[in-house]
This record gives sequence, C-alpha cells and structure tokens, in this order.
Amino acid sequence: QSVLTQPPSASGTPGQRVTISCSGSSSNIGSNYVYWYQQLPGTAPKLLIYRNNQRPSGVPDRFSGSKSGTSASLAISGLRSEDEADYYCAAWDDSLSGPWVFGGGTKLTVL
Amino acid sequence: QVQLQESGPGLVKPSQTLSLTCTVSGGSISSGGYYWSWIRQHPGKGLEWIGYIYYSGSTYYNPSLKSRVTISVDTSKNQFSLKLSSVTAADTAVYYCARVGYYGGLDYWGQGTLVTVSS
Repeated sequence: QSVLTQPPSASGTPGQRVTISCSGSSSNIGSNYVYWYQQLPGTAPKLLIYRNNQRPSGVPDRFSGSKSGTSASLAISGLRSEDEADYYCAAWDDSLSGPWVFGGGTKLTVL
Repeated sequence: QVQLQESGPGLVKPSQTLSLTCTVSGGSISSGGYYWSWIRQHPGKGLEWIGYIYYSGSTYYNPSLKSRVTISVDTSKNQFSLKLSSVTAADTAVYYCARVGYYGGLDYWGQGTLVTVSS
C-alpha cells in the first residue's frame, strides 16, 4: 500500500490531453514539494517534474505539474505514442513514513 | 554528465546479506551538495525508497527497513554501498542507485540491477 495514491491506469489517444492525479496528506504533499517520474518499459525512472511544476532541461513543455492542498496532478498535452509509460509521483514526508514516499504508479496507455 | 552504475550479486540466499555498490562517474561524491540514494522496485510493482547518504556519512533510512539496512560511502572510490541483512523472497527486486539533486528530486539514476533472493 503506497503512501501516495494514484490511479493504476490512464489512457488517451494521440494529440489528446491526459491528467494523472496523486493524492497524499498534510505530512507529504500538503507541506512539501511534489516530484513526478516517468518510467519507460525496461528502463530506470526519469525525473519529469520537480518542485511541483518545474521541468528539468530536456523535458518537453507538453508535461506540466500542479499542486493544490494535499493533491497533485501531472498533465500531458499533445499525447504521443512515446509517452506510453508508468508515471510515479513522489514527495518528502515529515512523518514516520518518510522522508521519501512514492505513489503506486499509473500506467499510461496511448490508444 | 553524471552516471551511476550498480554492481553486485544477482542471487542471494535467504537469511543472508544483500550487498550492492554504486559507482559514480562524471562527478565527485565528496564535492558535496547532493545525497546519494538507494531505491528498489519489486517485480511489476512501484518504487520504494530505501535510504540515502551524504558524503560525510550521514544517513537516513526508510523506517520500515531501518533495522536491516546499512548505507555507506567510500569517497576515495567515488562509490556508495547498500547492505540489506536477513533477506527473504520479499526483498527480490530491481535495486537502483540515484542522486538526490539540488532541487530535491532524484535526477540521475543507475540502470538498476535485479537481485533475486532464492535458495
């Protein structure tokens, strides 16, 4: 059971906009930054979003992050086939669960 | 470009100690400013943070694994290591090493290494 809650799956067609949610609590998302990782099949995770809504160099602006209260979202616009991957949210946690906690991951399928 | 590479046995017997090393290239662990982490992923499952270490040797572990985990650093070799004692089949996973970047995210990862616990 992951500390952060994500839907297990999401899907969209090419060109569409999809969002992936991440729900936490006051000890993690509510008081700390949220990070998002993309894991392509058979590869290590890659940092996609840091500090709620910042993109590392090289990450397309089709990817965006937001946070409100104890929840966060990752939005992918102009969906492409190469976006098919698992997506994980993460946050520091100030409770005994911490400091790092992850969501269970969302498998994104591009139809 | 920072690169990380895990190494160690791919098969460990139950009750024994899992030992992995992460070799960092393209940057010096002793330069400071970053934490160095271990994360694992059970087959077909999500990510689980194990712990991290600073070049000075300061560590922080996942409370659920704390009693069995030791992370150490060897700045002369630019490596950091993971030891997980008393392993069971539940510790079978892909183990990743990664760097905690300046902004707090895990910005560089190793390719991961599968460790299977089996007799």
